[in-house]
Amino acid sequence: NAGVTQTPKFQVLKTGQSMTLQCAQDMNHEYMSWYRQDPGMGLRLIHYSVGAGITDQGEVPNGYNVSRSTTEDFPLRLLSAAPSQTSVYFCASSLRAGSSSGNTIYFGEGSWLTVV
Amino acid sequence: AQSVTQLDSQVPVFEEAPVELRCNYSSSVSVYLFWYVQYPNQGLQLLLKYLSGSTLVKGINGFEAEFNKSQTSFHLRKPSVHISDTAEYFCAGAKAAGNKLTFGGGTRVLVKP
Repeated sequence: NAGVTQTPKFQVLKTGQSMTLQCAQDMNHEYMSWYRQDPGMGLRLIHYSVGAGITDQGEVPNGYNVSRSTTEDFPLRLLSAAPSQTSVYFCASSLRAGSSSGNTIYFGEGSWLTVV
Repeated sequence: AQSVTQLDSQVPVFEEAPVELRCNYSSSVSVYLFWYVQYPNQGLQLLLKYLSGSTLVKGINGFEAEFNKSQTSFHLRKPSVHISDTAEYFCAGAKAAGNKLTFGGGTRVLVKP
């Protein structure tokens, strides 16, 4: 998973607190995305970005905000954490938007978030 | 909407035995399919991918998968597993445009000595 860095790796939040999960890649990738992983549900797309200044919603965007001010960084913000947001979060990136180019999607090592 | 279904949530298998992990997809348009592996407390690593061409795809670590359009399946196989293959495996699909992956629920493989 070299190239996609997520911080923090572990975090415990109280209900209502806010926090930002950081994601950075140094591969000059256009496409970045955030997924959450829950048991038995695989990974579900939260938000994604096809380039600096462009973001869009995925399958489960509620409760999360994103921005893409630079190519390298794609932070995920939880404005008011809820227990339902307890999950493992993965950031991913690929060189170009568009699966037809055969891009490999690289995943970070995950951020374990617990909301109590 | 595209969906991906992994038919087995857990697969126990003895070391050196073959294993098959089943994946079915639904889509009305061209589709790209992937298998990822996740070792404990780690991120996802790409095993193999089907974009077009030969329906038999070979990946890393001795894994292979066969794309079957008529059965809308993309099953993953390995002829002889090792203890180190103990992990969770995810099947995923993507539409032609964009890299939005749709994941199956995952299959936990436990290789027993």
